[in-house]
Amino acid sequence: GAVVSQHPSRVICKSGTSVKIECRSLDFQATTMFWYRQFPKQSLMLMATSNEGSKATYEQGVEKDKFLINHASLTLSTLTVTSAHPEDSSFYICSARDPGGAGKLFFGSGTQLSVL
Amino acid sequence: GNSVTQMEGPVTLSEEAFLTINCTYTATGYPSLFWYVQYPGEGLQLLLKATKADDKGSNKGFEATYRKETTSFHLEKGSVQVSDSAVYFCATKGSNTGNQFYFGTGTSLTVIP
Repeated sequence: GAVVSQHPSRVICKSGTSVKIECRSLDFQATTMFWYRQFPKQSLMLMATSNEGSKATYEQGVEKDKFLINHASLTLSTLTVTSAHPEDSSFYICSARDPGGAGKLFFGSGTQLSVL
Repeated sequence: GNSVTQMEGPVTLSEEAFLTINCTYTATGYPSLFWYVQYPGEGLQLLLKATKADDKGSNKGFEATYRKETTSFHLEKGSVQVSDSAVYFCATKGSNTGNQFYFGTGTSLTVIP
């Protein structure tokens, strides 16, 4: 089946630094990818929709200047957490829609971000 | 608004035990309902889904029935295996919510031999 690769799986960084998370669709071209975030004991929440070749669409309450999304190719979307703070510590997961697979969503394995 | 309430874990069962993970939802309109599973070290995978009332989704021995009257979509399996150890997420997606899935908090299941 279709595979979405996400890395790193775990990252620890100092407060104030930026962290980039990559999401790749390995065997299909994804014009649309999604980024989710899950805080401990809370639900996965959609942060933004990443569209290849255009600006991402952010959900209400998500700071676009803090969470930079780039979808420069049909197989790669990146999420950069800029000037990370401890409150950004969370589980981030991406997903990609396979246009040839009846629009099925395939998820990456997630990135656990810990900001010290 | 839309939301999903899912049974909290962790859940630990012996092999061949019966599994139920409760899930209830609130939604406007007529949402589709999903169970996703995340095995250790892997991404979320769709386990089963149901798109209208009284539909039963099933896969790998798991079942869930879309109950509109109780707004529930409980996950069941008659005899769990060690390989079923994973985190299970209940989710809804409505026709009027765009790309927004509404996920539960996830339930961690550990099956011991």
